[in-house]
Amino acid sequence: DGGITQSPKYLFRKEGQNVTLSCEQNLNHDAMYWYRQDPGQGLRLIYYSQIVNDFQKGDIAEGYSVSREKKESFPLTVTSAQKNPTAFYLCASSTIAGADTQYFGPGTRLTVL
Amino acid sequence: QKEVEQNSGPLSVPEGAIASLNCTYSDRGSQSFFWYRQYSGKSPELIMFIYSNGDKEDGRFTAQLNKASQYVSLLIRDSQPSDSATYLCAVNWSSGSARQLTFGSGTQLTVLP
Repeated sequence: DGGITQSPKYLFRKEGQNVTLSCEQNLNHDAMYWYRQDPGQGLRLIYYSQIVNDFQKGDIAEGYSVSREKKESFPLTVTSAQKNPTAFYLCASSTIAGADTQYFGPGTRLTVL
Repeated sequence: QKEVEQNSGPLSVPEGAIASLNCTYSDRGSQSFFWYRQYSGKSPELIMFIYSNGDKEDGRFTAQLNKASQYVSLLIRDSQPSDSATYLCAVNWSSGSARQLTFGSGTQLTVLP
């Protein structure tokens, strides 16, 4: 089955700790995205990547880092510099031509203890 | 700043009625418009996209686009309780060679049996 997987589904972080969220896709999409969603809010773009070994900051990149070493994978690290990381994190992917519709993974819910 | 505005609701309609969801956007250069459905605790799933002025129908769903008024809407005919969800409007815009989506905060729809 083609799709986007995210792990873990739930993640708990202690203050001062870095954590990494996984995102993998087998859709052969070039572009991948990370969004953050807070309760009652829309999605805000953290980082995106259109090609391996290249990525761009979105609207709220501070306190986050990413890598894109493989086309299929786009992990997100939430660093201790992110002061309010409790949120629902969504990974998406798309082609970069034509419709460029974004499709989403199931999400990771991060809670700071 | 690219902005997408939606009525937050909640919007309640009786089963079998037409639900009308509205969205306005600020960037006149936007070319692509998307509607996603998000059930509570789940990730967004694509319902429809529209590029051209006018109506686009897919089953019980109709998307309407008016670029002159910077307005896009989603009509759901014969609403069912299973349609109860938050509906996110997303607008595509270009930044150099990259294309991004800006999301509205969503409209919560409840279909009453």
